[in-house]
Amino acid sequence: QSVLTQPPSVSAAPGQKVTISCSGSSSNIGRNHVSWYQHLPGTAPKLLIYENNKRPSGIPADRFSASKSGTSATLGITGLQTGDEADYYCVTWDTSLSAGVFGGGTKLTVL
Amino acid sequence: EVQLVESGGGLVQPGGSLRLSCAASGFTFSTYWMTWVRQASGKGLEWVANINHDGSRRNYAGSVKGRFTISRDNAKKSLNLQMNSLGAEDTAMYYCVRVQYIDEGFDYWGQGTLVTVSS
Repeated sequence: QSVLTQPPSVSAAPGQKVTISCSGSSSNIGRNHVSWYQHLPGTAPKLLIYENNKRPSGIPADRFSASKSGTSATLGITGLQTGDEADYYCVTWDTSLSAGVFGGGTKLTVL
Repeated sequence: EVQLVESGGGLVQPGGSLRLSCAASGFTFSTYWMTWVRQASGKGLEWVANINHDGSRRNYAGSVKGRFTISRDNAKKSLNLQMNSLGAEDTAMYYCVRVQYIDEGFDYWGQGTLVTVSS
């Protein structure tokens, strides 16, 4: 069982929007920053969001967004493309555990 | 260009040991926290351990605490993971990762090295 809870899967049609939730607790999301990663099979995970809602260069602002409220975080992807099909992970620091913690991952299917 | 190249993976018997290394290049290694992340086949990403700039602070996942030791050699630009008392549950691809942002915001990942624990 992961410390951070994500839905196992989400799906939407091309061009539509999807959101992926990441639920934690006061010892992790509630007090620390959240990052989000996209992981395609056979490749290294790619950073999409850091420090809750910031995008690295090269990540389009009009497609990828994120927010955090209390002990939960959310990743939003708009204008879905087949190339977005991947596993998405949230991660943060857990102050009580003194360890990093990942969500269990969410598989995005673009129908 | 930032590069992280892992090595040292392989097949090891249960109860055995293995030492992973990660050769870093293209950045000032001594100024970054570094982390090991693993992924078992068909499973999600799992945070394993991290280490601060000079190696004075180390943190471990509960699943590996007491068995794994993370270390670094800044002169050689190398990150290491000594793994002892290995079990089948440690079978995974192990990634060396650079921490760029607060609270485990990783910007560069290696391609990984595969560890298989089996008799």
